[in-house]
Amino acid sequence: EAQVTQNPRYLITVTGKKLTVTCSQNMNHEYMSWYRQDPGLGLRQIYYSMNVEVTDKGDVPEGYKVSRKEKRNFPLILESPSPNQTSLYFCASRGQGPPYEQYFGPGTRLTVT
Amino acid sequence: DQQVKQNSPSLSVQEGRISILNCDYTNSMFDYFLWYKKYPAEGPTFLISISSIKDKNEDGRFTVFLNKSAKHLSLHIVPSQPGDSAVYFCAASAVGTGGFKTIFGAGTRLFVKA
Repeated sequence: EAQVTQNPRYLITVTGKKLTVTCSQNMNHEYMSWYRQDPGLGLRQIYYSMNVEVTDKGDVPEGYKVSRKEKRNFPLILESPSPNQTSLYFCASRGQGPPYEQYFGPGTRLTVT
Repeated sequence: DQQVKQNSPSLSVQEGRISILNCDYTNSMFDYFLWYKKYPAEGPTFLISISSIKDKNEDGRFTVFLNKSAKHLSLHIVPSQPGDSAVYFCAASAVGTGGFKTIFGAGTRLFVKA
């Protein structure tokens, strides 16, 4: 089954404790992206990757890091989480070319206290 | 500055009637517009898209209309069904960026009453 998986689905942590949210896709997609969803703001792009070892900032990259060492994996790293990073996070992937529809993971709800 | 706006946070429609969800954008660079549907505790799923060179695209009960001069698009669902109750996101991509930069609206929650 074609899918994007994320782990963990739920995470409660404390300020400053480094964490990683994993994302994996089995569709051999070149493009992957991370979004956060906040009430009234919709989905905002954090980082995206066009292929292995190629990443770029989205609209809200501050406080986040990513890496793309393998085509199927695109982890999101919070080196020093803060309460304003409490949010619902989605990983997505898509193939080449228009119409650019993305396939989303189930989401990770992160709470930073 | 929100480049993609969905000004209605929610919409309530009777089953069998038409649902019309609206979206406005400000950036003329956008070449593709997409609608996603999201149920609680799930990720968004792609619904329908339209290229900026077209003004209409239809897929079953779903039709998207694009008015480039007004920088406005709308999603029509007819007839609406209770299973359509979800949050709908409008999104825009720019071909010039390889479609990599995608901007989403804030979403509209649709309630379809049986």
